[in-house]
Amino acid sequence: NAGVMQNPRHLVRRRGQEARLRCSPMKGHSHVYWYRQLPEEGLKFMVYLQKENIIDESGMPKERFSAEFPKEGPSILRIQQVVRGDSAAYFCASSPRTELNTEAFFGQGTRLTVV
Amino acid sequence: DQQVKQNSPSLSVQEGRISILNCDYTNSMFDYFLWYKKYPAEGPTFLISISSIKDKNEDGRFTVFLNKSAKHLSLHIVPSQPGDSAVYFCAASGTFTGGGNKLTFGTGTQLKVEL
Repeated sequence: NAGVMQNPRHLVRRRGQEARLRCSPMKGHSHVYWYRQLPEEGLKFMVYLQKENIIDESGMPKERFSAEFPKEGPSILRIQQVVRGDSAAYFCASSPRTELNTEAFFGQGTRLTVV
Repeated sequence: DQQVKQNSPSLSVQEGRISILNCDYTNSMFDYFLWYKKYPAEGPTFLISISSIKDKNEDGRFTVFLNKSAKHLSLHIVPSQPGDSAVYFCAASGTFTGGGNKLTFGTGTQLKVEL
């Protein structure tokens, strides 16, 4: 039973390029969450998605960031025109479909470096 | 505004002794609390959780205590082992957030267990 899979593990982008981060949830999980961890900080919620729906994007920056979780395939976090301040670790988590107040399982993260 | 706070950035404990990690929260609407452990370059791993209807939950060497009136929780690890050395994050969630398991994290405490 594979855990939450994120790829790539490391991503280097030049300023102005696009970054695409992928997340496949655990089998049977249809809730996906993206978090960002800036250096020396805790994880900050970005967006919560279910299949084909964005449920809560209150933590997403207003510009350049978008997320999707299509009917088929992984969830994608997309950052357009990256800037140095986007350098961070991005974690995806998933949880089961029907349960509230249960633990979320995290992937190993994608470390984005903008040069 | 930091709704979940871990005021000790680091803690050093001798092997075999008790480790006590503390966490405070400000939002009384949180009703589920979790502790995650994180090694460098990995994703957070779920440790233990507690619902707001309880004041204690125990799992092996790990016990979480919740004091709702003080809006305080703590994680006790006994006996501490060198493999417990990691960053520990406190997190909170609540059904008021609109469903799912959106987590609000503290900034983490680096635990070092010394031989």
